[in-house]
Amino acid sequence: AQSVTQLGSHVSVSEGALVLLRCNYSSSVPPYLFWYVQYPNQGLQLLLKYTTGATLVKGINGFEAEFKKSETSFHLTKPSAHMSDAAEYFCAVSGSTGSNTGKLIFGQGTTLQVKP
Amino acid sequence: EPEVTQTPSHQVTQMGQEVILRCVPISNHLYFYWYRQILGQKVEFLVSFYNNEISEKSEIFDDQFSVERPDGSNFTLKIRSTKLEDSAMYFCASSEVGNTQYFGPGTRLTVL
Repeated sequence: AQSVTQLGSHVSVSEGALVLLRCNYSSSVPPYLFWYVQYPNQGLQLLLKYTTGATLVKGINGFEAEFKKSETSFHLTKPSAHMSDAAEYFCAVSGSTGSNTGKLIFGQGTTLQVKP
Repeated sequence: EPEVTQTPSHQVTQMGQEVILRCVPISNHLYFYWYRQILGQKVEFLVSFYNNEISEKSEIFDDQFSVERPDGSNFTLKIRSTKLEDSAMYFCASSEVGNTQYFGPGTRLTVL
């Protein structure tokens, strides 16, 4: 079974400050990990993903995340927040085995507020 | 850039009615999914579809729900006899190899 926990349903940062959104996962198989962003009244847009290889992955809009197996974490960071980063962020996990159907298990989401 | 499209963007229906939500996945993708997001809650997996059959479904996806790929481009979710609790945003997604999923903009279903 797989699950995702996002610590903090609401994060507020000042423009230009570091963004850190936390995600911990549980998986009985090697995971694939994803971060999606949802702007108001829009669908889910892929920010970045980890499948195999390099544990630090870079995504769009200056975001990056690091897969830490020992901590079962996949935290999302951005060095300097921009007003346009205000949105809902979802961490998700799927399995990586051959029988994987690819279904995504999502966390509860974190709302990022950016203050001027 | 190819994208997943969904119609309608908003569907209002009376309790007990049947609705069909439509999706056009990205053309070379082979895996198709439906998810839903009840207002204020997390996105939940409903069903995955590959090679013209359901490959996995969640507990939510009971006999009230069905999916179909009626032609080479559309992927539909049918909800029979809708209930108030079916009110949610329904997202379609597709992927090339069961890995990275690309989501449509969603259909907001309101059951009155």
